[in-house]
Amino acid sequence: EVKLVESGGGLVQPGRSLKLSCAASGFNFNDYWMGWVRQAPGKGLEWIGEINKDSSTINYTPSLKDKFTISRDNAQNTLYLQMSKLGSEDTAIYYCARGIAFAYWGQGTLVTVSS
Amino acid sequence: DIVMTQAPLSVSVTPGESASISCRSSKSLLHSNGITYVYWYLQKPGKSPQLLIYRMSNLASGVPDRFSGSGSETDFTLKISRVEAEDVGIYYCGQLLENPLTFGSGTKLEIK
Repeated sequence: EVKLVESGGGLVQPGRSLKLSCAASGFNFNDYWMGWVRQAPGKGLEWIGEINKDSSTINYTPSLKDKFTISRDNAQNTLYLQMSKLGSEDTAIYYCARGIAFAYWGQGTLVTVSS
Repeated sequence: DIVMTQAPLSVSVTPGESASISCRSSKSLLHSNGITYVYWYLQKPGKSPQLLIYRMSNLASGVPDRFSGSGSETDFTLKISRVEAEDVGIYYCGQLLENPLTFGSGTKLEIK
């Protein structure tokens, strides 16, 4: 069974950093692109970015490129999202998803940016 | 960025009847390889999104064949036949043709 489990969310003060993890299981992690999508409270889906199998290609939505960094550890079957300079606009549920088509999603982890 | 526009904002359907949701892209999603890169997702209440349709008309694994996708280069339709109570939620179209990937604002399906 394909499983994606995000962790690392929580309450963080404005201007601080936070790193999210996405633990993958039930499939060969090395064979898939992975991505991050977020959803602000009561809002729609916003694509953050994606990373290819060997981390040689990483794409971001332009507005987040200077704040967020996507990485992966294939040995640990884990995807990461490093977020910096967080503001209230970054309050959202953060999902990791498998593959270019987002065929599988994690349950999400809530990040709340507030003082 | 490619803008995805969905309609209607919400739809209320009697169980057993059909529902259609429209999505329009600001740019053709037809790639030179012949594939149209529009996708449909359903987010059930309190749950993560799930893939329903990929590449405009292909049913994702495990999705009932009551769901179908169709369209042209810029205008797309998700049709749900014989709507059931479990189909409630918010439906999103998305384009995966070019970065940044973008989604429509969603259509909420409710049961009468």
